[in-house]
Amino acid sequence: AQTVTQSQPEMSVQEAETVTLSCTYDTSESDYYLFWYKQPPSRQMILVIRQEAYKQQNATENRFSVNFQKAAKSFSLKISDSQLGDAAMYFCAYRSASNFGNEKLTFGTGTRLTIIP
Amino acid sequence: NAGVMQNPRHLVRRRGQEARLRCSPMKGHSHVYWYRQLPEEGLKFMVYLQKENIIDESGMPKERFSAEFPKEGPSILRIQQVVRGDSAAYFCASATGTVYNSPLHFGNGTRLTVT
Repeated sequence: AQTVTQSQPEMSVQEAETVTLSCTYDTSESDYYLFWYKQPPSRQMILVIRQEAYKQQNATENRFSVNFQKAAKSFSLKISDSQLGDAAMYFCAYRSASNFGNEKLTFGTGTRLTIIP
Repeated sequence: NAGVMQNPRHLVRRRGQEARLRCSPMKGHSHVYWYRQLPEEGLKFMVYLQKENIIDESGMPKERFSAEFPKEGPSILRIQQVVRGDSAAYFCASATGTVYNSPLHFGNGTRLTVT
């Protein structure tokens, strides 16, 4: 079974600075997908960024980028120019590519990000 | 195009009562997933359904929990004889199921409190 580990329960960063959230995972599969979700106090789960394991290029979405190290099974999220609205719980998630149509995700335990004004 | 709709947003039940949580997927989505989030934890997969079929229930507790996704109407997660340990946020997500790697769209969850 796949597992996802987020070793940083809490992180804080000064507004406008850069912060990196860590995520490692364990799998025996070679093809899979990785995601970062943001959960603000409203509880809504918002997809931030996703990465296909077969792609070597790291995904980027505006101020959000990932550092995907497949051999190390590491998938960190970098937030540049942090804004107050980035304050939230961030969850790393894994999805197998082996079952077409089954989008089941395995989540880590989350990192609470605080933005210091 | 409305997103995934869950209701109620908050639900309070006394121990031993039944809880029914509803989820209407996004228009055009035929795949529904239920997740449970305990306080200060990540989301744990419970069950994956397609219309009238349970595809994967590997995360569902064996007793008291059931889920359905009928041909017409919302998906229902039913918890019988609730206990305090059932207190959690329950999330529903939907996907098209017809596009490879189609992203999951989540509802805002139902927070169940058992007193």
